[in-house]
Amino acid sequence: EVQLVESGGGLVQPGQSLRLSCTGFGFTFGDFGMSWVRQAPGKGLERVAIIRSKAYGGTTEYAASVKGRFAISRDDSKSIAYLQMNSLKIEDTAVYYCTRWIHNSGIPYDYWGQGTLVTVSS
Amino acid sequence: DIVMTQSPDSLAVSLGERATINCKSSQSVLSSSNNKNYLAWYQQKPGQPPNLLIYWASTRESGVPDRFSGSGSGTDFTLTISSLQAEDVAVYYCQQYYNSAWTFGQGTKVELK
Repeated sequence: EVQLVESGGGLVQPGQSLRLSCTGFGFTFGDFGMSWVRQAPGKGLERVAIIRSKAYGGTTEYAASVKGRFAISRDDSKSIAYLQMNSLKIEDTAVYYCTRWIHNSGIPYDYWGQGTLVTVSS
Repeated sequence: DIVMTQSPDSLAVSLGERATINCKSSQSVLSSSNNKNYLAWYQQKPGQPPNLLIYWASTRESGVPDRFSGSGSGTDFTLTISSLQAEDVAVYYCQQYYNSAWTFGQGTKVELK
């Protein structure tokens, strides 16, 4: 059974850092692109960062709102994707979801994790 | 980035009645190379992550009931729930995945009348 499990969320003060992890189960992790999508309280969905599979260069992309502060990475040997979040702002408060896609399949995010809550507050 | 605009923001529908949600993209998401629209629909129930319902504008994901259907092409798309069930109360999002900067609509909340 395919599963994505996020961890690492919590309460931090503005300007601090946090690292989220997403562990994949039940599929060949390295074959998939991985993405972090966030949802602020009562708001819609925002794609924060993506990392392509190694076969597609392992390249990354970021939303303008987090570029230069967040970094996505992956360790395929452990089936984990990371989101390093630095210089956190109050507006980064959200549930962060991990999701996957397979390149050139025409199918976008078919599995999502349950999400991890990040609260940035003084 | 391609901007996705959904309408309405919310709607109330009686059990067994039809629900229609519209999604408009700021530019075409139709690929000329394969004639497919890179448009997806997700359902999100309270406290849960989004769930993929439809991709390529009209292809139902495995396990999705056939009362859900998607239509449209280019810049204008529709999600239809043919006969609303109580378990369909949720927020629905469209998403374009035409270019590398995938974007979502703002969501449409479907409630029971």
